[in-house]
Amino acid sequence: GEEVAQTPKHLVRGEGQKAKLYCAPIKGHSYVFWYQQVLKNEFKFLISFQNENVFDETGMPKERFSAKCLPNSPCSLEIQATKLEDSAVYFCASSQRFGDSQYNSPLHFGNGTRLTVT
Amino acid sequence: DQQVKQNSPSLSVQEGRISILNCDYTNSMFDYFLWYKKYPAEGPTFLISISSIKDKNEDGRFTVFLNKSAKHLSLHIVPSQPGDSAVYFCAATASANNDMRFGAGTRLTVKP
Repeated sequence: GEEVAQTPKHLVRGEGQKAKLYCAPIKGHSYVFWYQQVLKNEFKFLISFQNENVFDETGMPKERFSAKCLPNSPCSLEIQATKLEDSAVYFCASSQRFGDSQYNSPLHFGNGTRLTVT
Repeated sequence: DQQVKQNSPSLSVQEGRISILNCDYTNSMFDYFLWYKKYPAEGPTFLISISSIKDKNEDGRFTVFLNKSAKHLSLHIVPSQPGDSAVYFCAATASANNDMRFGAGTRLTVKP
């Protein structure tokens, strides 16, 4: 598609429950990024993919967070055993090119999934 | 570590005047800089970018200036319109990095 599509728009989970968020990148974009925005503060980078391969996962809290981008499926971000501090808006973004100083292209963002952990 | 800083959380400007949004960065390896605009309940929308080999990029009412020696960039909007009211995020990346860093945003209000 022509837009990054994120589902669901809102997600409410009790503390300790699992949460799974989905992202369909723009067709033809090889790079997918996940960001977490807490309380309208800056975007915290979580993980990036180049096609189905993890590009960078230095931002991921590895104990409870995992992510995948499988061929012919939306990308997903899963949080096992959610905690109150996981409440945030999770943005997915995709890009055609990345990491090349001559041919960089911007990240295109979805509208986010608001996760509320109660 | 906050490598991209937007020190003004808000800015208010009269319609028709110039809006100047500022951004500072600390990582000298950054070589690609972007401005995003964000409305409530939506994702950030790409506005304009600049490569480190340039010091100015213009697109209609929007101009981005880059001062590498000062590690500073700015976004100029002229003339400002009420529809420009939004939160503006500065972002930067380095070829060697695998992510993009964002500032905390500046809320611009353009008054009619």
